[in-house]
Formats: sequence, structure tokens, C-alpha cells
Amino acid sequence: NAGVMQNPRHLVRRRGQEARLRCSPMKGHSHVYWYRQLPEEGLKFMVYLQKENIIDESGMPKERFSAEFPKEGPSILRIQQVVRGDSAAYFCASSPTGFRLAGVYTQYFGPGTRLTVL
Amino acid sequence: AQTVTQSQPEMSVQEAETVTLSCTYDTSESDYYLFWYKQPPSRQMILVIRQEAYKQQNATENRFSVNFQKAAKSFSLKISDSQLGDAAMYFCAYRGLIIQGAQKLVFGQGTRLTINP
Repeated sequence: NAGVMQNPRHLVRRRGQEARLRCSPMKGHSHVYWYRQLPEEGLKFMVYLQKENIIDESGMPKERFSAEFPKEGPSILRIQQVVRGDSAAYFCASSPTGFRLAGVYTQYFGPGTRLTVL
Repeated sequence: AQTVTQSQPEMSVQEAETVTLSCTYDTSESDYYLFWYKQPPSRQMILVIRQEAYKQQNATENRFSVNFQKAAKSFSLKISDSQLGDAAMYFCAYRGLIIQGAQKLVFGQGTRLTINP
């Protein structure tokens, strides 16, 4: 079973450009989470999605950031008009559906996308 | 809101020795889940161990074990027979019940563990 896939692994953007980060969850997982890790800090929750639905976006900045998880295809985290403060590692995690199943409460992380804004 | 605190920014231990990493958390919930994740230099987040709050028995995974003190809201990680490959950042994380909006993990600030040969 392939793990959580994220691409690209490294992304360089100039200020004002758009960044698109992709996440393919593990097979059989329909819950996706995005986290951001600033240098020398822990991970901070951004958004939680299920297929075609945003469930919790309490950690998303109000402007320039959006996320989607379409019926087909990967989840996308989109950052418009990037600024230097957006430079960070962005992690995607996924978990399976179900209730009280083994592993259901565990989020499995992808390798992350390191965004650098010049 | 739940918070997770790791009071040790850095720890070091001699190879083959035992080390304990501290974690405390704050919550008003009675049922929840606690995790330790490892982040090596590759930056991949790797699950080390998981504890369900309703279980009194401390979780164990090979050389890794936890000391879960629910009343004290403490969740420390013990690594026995430390190996060079254990060197990494270690993050403690909290997750509430599986209800709408409670799926997110709340992470501590991390503890950087160095293994001395």
C-alpha cells in the first residue's frame, strides 16, 4: 500500500506568484489534513477535508489560502500571491473512514512540500 | 482549546542509554488520543507510538514506551537502548474525539534528540 504522496517536494516561487501543492492520500483513505511547519516550530493544523467537503478550516489564513479535495484526483492546497512569510514545509496527512477500527485514529503523513518564496 | 507543551527543546543521550521526553497537555475532554511522532532530518513525520486515553495500560512499541498519567495530563516517551538512528525531532500530539471538527492534531513545539556515540 503506497503511502501518502505529495508533490512537488520542493517548490520555489517569487513573491506574488501562486503556489499549488498536491496531496494523494493513501489508498482507502478519504480524510485529508493539511499542516504547516514554520522553521524550528511544530506543525500547525490548517484544514481538514473529506471528498468534496471542507470539514474544518479553522487553521487556514483568511486570505490567499484555499483547499479542495475533489471527487476525483488529489487534494490541492492553493496559495495565491505568495509572500515570504509563506515559506514553510506543508504536510498532508490522511486517515481512513470507519469508526473504532484499528488505525482509524492515526494520521499518516506525506513527505511534505518545502515552499520557498524569493 | 487544547494545548500541548514540550518543555525540553533539546535532549541528548549516550548510545545504548535510556532517555525520557516530556509532554503535558491541557484539555477538558475525557476521551482523546495522544501520539508521539518522530521527524528525522528527512523531515518525514513518522508515527512512533499511540495511546488511547480510555486505556489505562501504557502503550509499548519495541524500545519505545509511554508513561501516560491522565490525571496529571502527562504523556512522556521513554526510549530504551538508544540508537544513532533515533536522533530526530520528536513531537507530542493530541487529538480529540472523532466528531466534526475534532479531527485535527495539536502538536507540541518539539524536542530535538541527539544521540552521542
